[in-house]
Amino acid sequence: GQQLNQSPQSMFIQEGEDVSMNCTSSSIFNTWLWYKQDPGEGPVLLIALYKAGELTSNGRLTAQFGITRKDSFLNISASIPSDVGIYFCAGQRAGSGNTGKLIFGQGTTLQVKP
Amino acid sequence: DGGITQSPKYLFRKEGQNVTLSCEQNLNHDAMYWYRQDPGQGLRLIYYSQIVNDFQKGDIAEGYSVSREKKESFPLTVTSAQKNPTAFYLCASRERAGHYQPQHFGDGTRLSIL
Repeated sequence: GQQLNQSPQSMFIQEGEDVSMNCTSSSIFNTWLWYKQDPGEGPVLLIALYKAGELTSNGRLTAQFGITRKDSFLNISASIPSDVGIYFCAGQRAGSGNTGKLIFGQGTTLQVKP
Repeated sequence: DGGITQSPKYLFRKEGQNVTLSCEQNLNHDAMYWYRQDPGQGLRLIYYSQIVNDFQKGDIAEGYSVSREKKESFPLTVTSAQKNPTAFYLCASRERAGHYQPQHFGDGTRLSIL
């Protein structure tokens, strides 16, 4: 099955730095979601995007639904040690009806050095 | 508390054995999903169910089976036909009615081969 292209694959940053990651697809999506997964746990929803061009924030996190509907971006400002984890993008492809089926990126592993 | 409960947290399978992973939700969600997660990869869809007594294959259904006899329960059986079952299995659910509702996940079951 199709997977989204998520980059970077991993990041090792200093506490206080800003972080950016993105996902791209060859298909048009009507929904973009960003999840965070801690080791040994299930993913937790961070931000949901429903309209092209939409920019949504959740605390220090900001995500955007790309104008082309083929990409999305997640930014984390002023990173802290608890931001460590794996971040996944996920999207629902246009025309997939109300199945709710999602396509996932491969994940971005974030490590933060205090 | 409302949520999605997966059990057991860890499971071991012997060669030629079938094992069943439990997923229960008390969120009154219509749709439920099973994913497989391998290291360094995104989530891949195994099976999904949009209503009771109905389910569809996902991208990697071979070697797996499911049932949906009750709205709150969606057990996954890993059969002996699945030759590489070692992975982290995640269950998710979502509300289907109205505007698109994101999937929410349980905390997973880690399956290993003895």
